[in-house]
Amino acid sequence: GQQVMQIPQYQHVQEGEDFTTYCNSSTTLSNIQWYKQRPGGHPVFLIQLVKSGEVKKQKRLTFQFGEAKKNSSLHITATQTTDVGTYFCAGVDSSYKLIFGSGTRLLVRP
Amino acid sequence: KAGVTQTPRYLIKTRGQQVTLSCSPISGHRSVSWYQQTPGQGLQFLFEYFSETQRNKGNFPGRFSGRQFSNSRSEMNVSTLELGDSALYLCASSYGTTNTGELFFGEGSRLTVL
Repeated sequence: GQQVMQIPQYQHVQEGEDFTTYCNSSTTLSNIQWYKQRPGGHPVFLIQLVKSGEVKKQKRLTFQFGEAKKNSSLHITATQTTDVGTYFCAGVDSSYKLIFGSGTRLLVRP
Repeated sequence: KAGVTQTPRYLIKTRGQQVTLSCSPISGHRSVSWYQQTPGQGLQFLFEYFSETQRNKGNFPGRFSGRQFSNSRSEMNVSTLELGDSALYLCASSYGTTNTGELFFGEGSRLTVL
């Protein structure tokens, strides 16, 4: 069935370094959402991308949706300790199900 | 306004028992979806309800069921519990269907099956 793969599984960076997580789908997605889950917390919505090739920015976060609408990425510039958490992508498949990726856990060394 | 409320927050059951979890969505939200979160499997979609109708269902056995009431509150039930059902069960609500926009998650119900 529909799968949304996310890499890497973990990333440990020094504060100030950049971070990127990638999301890939086996089929075309109608849109993709990104969520952040802090340790011990629940997922919190970050953004939704709908258009092919779309790029959106939120302060130090840059989100991209691929031209073929099968992949997406989240890039964080100059990470801070407040960025710690697990980042999930979630893609909408052809049957309108929202399928979550496995998540990328970000750890930031101060 | 109040967020998504899930009860109970923690519970311990033994194999073979059944459990019912409750979710009260944000006022005005018509969609409620349920997810199982485990360390190895991430967030697995269970089902989505919209205006009391099951709109979508994930790949879980029939032991997992749910329903939504006219006030949009939702319950999910797991019968004949197995050890592998131990997980955090998250409920999310949205105004429209899950594919159209932002989901608001509750704090979750952490189920331990002994």
